[in-house]
Amino acid sequence: ILNVEQSPQSLHVQEGDSTNFTCSFPSSNFYALHWYRWETAKSPEALFVMTLNGDEKKKGRISATLNTKEGYSYLYIKGSQPEDSATYLCAFPGDNDYKLSFGAGTTVTVRA
Amino acid sequence: DSGVTQTPKHLITATGQRVTLRCSPRSGDLSVYWYQQSLDQGLQFLIQYYNGEERAKGNILERFSAQQFPDLHSELNLSSLELGDSALYFCASSGQGVSYNSPLHFGNGTRLTVT
Repeated sequence: ILNVEQSPQSLHVQEGDSTNFTCSFPSSNFYALHWYRWETAKSPEALFVMTLNGDEKKKGRISATLNTKEGYSYLYIKGSQPEDSATYLCAFPGDNDYKLSFGAGTTVTVRA
Repeated sequence: DSGVTQTPKHLITATGQRVTLRCSPRSGDLSVYWYQQSLDQGLQFLIQYYNGEERAKGNILERFSAQQFPDLHSELNLSSLELGDSALYFCASSGQGVSYNSPLHFGNGTRLTVT
C-alpha cells in the first residue's frame, strides 16, 4: 500500500501571512507528484504536476517545490487571502502509474 | 467548469438496490477515473479506464463494477447497496493513458445516500 502523507492536517493563517505545508511520498520509483486545490462545495482542481527533482512551479501566489531523492514536496502560499481557504491535496502514482493515490490533504483556513 | 459531466448530482436509494452513475469525460480525454469520498475519508481510488480498457483497479468492492463505452463515457454500477456505500463519487478524466504527467479534471460528483 502506497503512503502519501500530508502535514499538517489543517492550519489557520492570518490574511496577508505566508504559509507552507508538506507532502511526503516514497522516493523509489518516482513518476510524478500532483497538487490539487479543493474548495468547499466544489470539485478538486489541478494546480501543478511535477516530474523532475528540483522542479519549482508557480501559479499566482502559490508555488511548489519537489525533492524526489528525499521524497517530499512543499506547497507555499504567499500573502494568503481568504479565497485561498481550501483543502490542498497531493497525489502520487504508486506501483502502477495509472493509479493516482491522493493524500488526506491539508486544510487551510485564512482568517481576515 | 472542468468539462467533465457527472449525472445524477444526487441519488437517494434504499439498501439492497442497484444504481448507475454516469460520467462524460472532457472532450478529447481518453482516460476516466472513479474515486469515492466517504465521510471523514479522503479520495479513494476505485478504477481507471483508458480508451475503453480497464487499466488500474483500486479498493473497489466486488459489488461495484464499471465500464467505459466506445464514445468514452463511463458508468459506475453499484449493486446490493449498503449504508456504508453512502459517499460522494467523483469521476475525473485526463488526456493521456499514462496518468503520471497529465492532470486530472474532476466532475462535480454524485452524492449517493443509501437509506
